[in-house]
Amino acid sequence: GQNIDQPTEMTATEGAIVQINCTYQTSGFNGLFWYQQHAGEAPTFLSYNVLDGLEEKGRFSSFLSRSKGYSYLLLKELQMKDSASYLCAVRDRRDGGYNKLIFGAGTRLAVHP
Amino acid sequence: GAVVSQHPSWVICKSGTSVKIECRSLDFQATTMFWYRQFPKQSLMLMATSNEGSKATYEQGVEKDKFLINHASLTLSTLTVTSAHPEDSSFYICSARDTPGGRAYEQYFGPGTRLTVT
Repeated sequence: GQNIDQPTEMTATEGAIVQINCTYQTSGFNGLFWYQQHAGEAPTFLSYNVLDGLEEKGRFSSFLSRSKGYSYLLLKELQMKDSASYLCAVRDRRDGGYNKLIFGAGTRLAVHP
Repeated sequence: GAVVSQHPSWVICKSGTSVKIECRSLDFQATTMFWYRQFPKQSLMLMATSNEGSKATYEQGVEKDKFLINHASLTLSTLTVTSAHPEDSSFYICSARDTPGGRAYEQYFGPGTRLTVT
């Protein structure tokens, strides 16, 4: 089966660092994505990992361990505008090769002064 | 680049009527488009995958006769919610995948359509 777990809610202070974890189980793993979604808006792409290790992009970094079925998104120098939901999504190599995305429930991050 | 639009952005309809939502890739050709539904405070649930010129592939539990998908061209896919009921009220989001040669691993999301059925 397919299962993606991430914490429901997190809070952090402006200027701090926060790590959002994601664990997954899927039969046809073909990459992991992190998206940011503000309320009432579509998700926006943050990062993509397909190999083990850390990918850094400005204030955001994403880590993947395929053997552990584990990823995290690291947000540094938090800003108020970072308050949003963060969605972990796994790309699943399905029959027909459509590579559908399976989303976790999302982590609502609240950044306070 | 890689912009996806949806129309309308929001719609209110009466129970029993049908609603069509359009998804367009504006600056790239999308051989594959995906339709998602998102209920409040929940994550995106894939409804169906559509490929240009062929029938859509629906996820388990999604009624294909109720949610009609047409992917008539490389830049346009439509989702029609037929005989809508209040429980169909949701945020519908489409995404599109670039043709091979682009960043084929990435899906580009539209801004979403909020449907309210009264």
